[in-house]
Amino acid sequence: NAGVMQNPRHLVRRRGQEARLRCSPMKGHSHVYWYRQLPEEGLKFMVYLQKENIIDESGMPKERFSAEFPKEGPSILRIQQVVRGDSAAYFCASHLPATGNTIYFGEGSWLTVV
Amino acid sequence: QKEVEQNSGPLSVPEGAIASLNCTYSDRGSQSFFWYRQYSGKSPELIMFIYSNGDKEDGRFTAQLNKASQYVSLLIRDSQPSDSATYLCAVNWGGNTPLVFGKGTRLSVIA
Repeated sequence: NAGVMQNPRHLVRRRGQEARLRCSPMKGHSHVYWYRQLPEEGLKFMVYLQKENIIDESGMPKERFSAEFPKEGPSILRIQQVVRGDSAAYFCASHLPATGNTIYFGEGSWLTVV
Repeated sequence: QKEVEQNSGPLSVPEGAIASLNCTYSDRGSQSFFWYRQYSGKSPELIMFIYSNGDKEDGRFTAQLNKASQYVSLLIRDSQPSDSATYLCAVNWGGNTPLVFGKGTRLSVIA
């Protein structure tokens, strides 16, 4: 997972605030995934993006969650009006489709909602 | 519905033994299969992947795939206490479909 940069590593938000999580993929990688891992649960797919395009957002909650991957800069996962149930680890994974289906994870962002 | 199933464990093995981790998946259209290791509080790290039926070996790790039975396994030879972690099985169904992960099997290697 070297090279996939996520920040912040840890984030504490009060209920109702906004959380913004950032991800820069490995050098040369054009696509990113976002996954969420609740305590004692598996990794759940949220969204798959390439620059300036959302490829698959079937795992995103219908409200409060959004994601983007602009032409310049990192991918951002945005959670508005956070609730306690949003507390989880959010992992970004980097992908270059031309090299196959392997994805490489960043260190993760741990969100705690108080 | 594409699903990946793993026994949550914990699976306990003595140091030096072979650990066998199993995974089944729901859809025959799957194309590629991955094993990741995740230490507590850390991110998943790729161990190995397999695309074709049969065995694939990498050091102490061997992945085994049987598409007819929709079954993939990971063998860890000469298990070490440092192998104690949660092992995640992931399956890809090709194209732009995302990797679908099982909930993981927790392995404990006893010294």
